[in-house]
Amino acid sequence: GAVVSQHPSWVICKSGTSVKIECRSLDFQATTMFWYRQFPKQSLMLMATSNEGSKATYEQGVEKDKFLINHASLTLSTLTVTSAHPEDSSFYICSARDTLAGGTSTDTQYFGPGTRLTVL
Amino acid sequence: SQQGEEDPQALSIQEGENATMNCSYKTSINNLQWYRQNSGRGLVHLILIRSNEREKHSGRLRVTLDTSKKSSSLLITASRAADTASYFCATDRSISFQKLVFGTGTRLLVSP
Repeated sequence: GAVVSQHPSWVICKSGTSVKIECRSLDFQATTMFWYRQFPKQSLMLMATSNEGSKATYEQGVEKDKFLINHASLTLSTLTVTSAHPEDSSFYICSARDTLAGGTSTDTQYFGPGTRLTVL
Repeated sequence: SQQGEEDPQALSIQEGENATMNCSYKTSINNLQWYRQNSGRGLVHLILIRSNEREKHSGRLRVTLDTSKKSSSLLITASRAADTASYFCATDRSISFQKLVFGTGTRLLVSP
């Protein structure tokens, strides 16, 4: 099946610094990628939809200036957590659809392994 | 909130037993998907059932969908210790929306 990678898999940073997380589709092209965050023992909450070549669409309550998203190519989206604070500590997961697969194959989202962010 | 509800929140069974998890949602959907997540890991896609389907099988997995009740169930037969994980349903409202809304999840523990 399609593979999505994330880098780094975990990161620890000091409060006030910025952290960039990469999401790559390894064997398919994705015009659309999604960023989720997950708190311990909770479900995934969609943060934003990343669109290749255009601005991301953020969910209600998600600060766009806090969580910068760039989708510069068909295989790479980045999430930058700016001026991170301890409350930003979470598990961040990206996903992508194989938007060129055609037909109903685009219905399946492929998830990355996640990035655990710890802000001290 | 548009988030779906799953029950039970936690389920503990013995190997060989069947495990049933239920998911309810609030809006009309294009399809419903089930995912598995091992602790601290990403999600693995298990099965997708479309709104015009009522039942689907994949190996030891059986999924049902009742759009009139806005509910779905995931049955894992002959469970194994390796099935221990969290299971999430996710609804896909339509192709134009493209985004998934996840349920609250069920934590399954299968004891040897």
